[in-house]
Amino acid sequence: DAGVIQSPRHEVTEMGQEVTLRCKPISGHNSLFWYRQTMMRGLELLIYFNNNVPIDDSGMPEDRFSAKMPNASFSTLKIQPSEPRDSAVYFCASSFRDRELGQPQHFGDGTRLSIL
Amino acid sequence: EDKVVQSPLSLVVHEGDTVTLNCSYEVTNFRSLLWYKQEKKAPTFLFMLTSSGIEKKSGRLSSILDKKELFSILNITATQTGDSAVYLCAVETGMYSGGGADGLTFGKGTHLIIQP
Repeated sequence: DAGVIQSPRHEVTEMGQEVTLRCKPISGHNSLFWYRQTMMRGLELLIYFNNNVPIDDSGMPEDRFSAKMPNASFSTLKIQPSEPRDSAVYFCASSFRDRELGQPQHFGDGTRLSIL
Repeated sequence: EDKVVQSPLSLVVHEGDTVTLNCSYEVTNFRSLLWYKQEKKAPTFLFMLTSSGIEKKSGRLSSILDKKELFSILNITATQTGDSAVYLCAVETGMYSGGGADGLTFGKGTHLIIQP
């Protein structure tokens, strides 16, 4: 089975540019998560969706960050305008959970973002 | 604020040794505790624990949860150089009753190095 697929794998861009990260969750999963990992702060939850609906975006650092999930098989995380402090590895994860059954989150390989 | 604390932060042992990694947590609405192994890329799932006192085992790895004392341990016996990685502990909280999953709060990880 295909795992969580993220693109691009690496992104290097200049400060002020718009950055769009993409994620395709595992088929059949009903929850999708965006995380950011840095040396200083570790892995932090940014936002997550259940059944394509955003549930909690309290981890999104600023209004420059936005995320969408237009359908069950695709999500984007956008940063506009980007700043050097946004440099990090961004992970997407997905899982299935209902009231009785909870499955673990599975992670994509991440997007390594560098803002110059 | 939910908190997950791992110890030690780093550990160097020789091949064949047994190691114990610790994870304590303070969260509201605990749902499950998960262990992940992270090498160069994505965190890969190891264990998901929801019930206290029940050991989960996979080969040389095992884990147990104590919900009264709010901690978990991950044991690795007969360590091999391939076990070198960062081991992450994460807690899922049940904030939303809609039936979907919730985001994970991660500890900073234990960086384990196995020397030949």
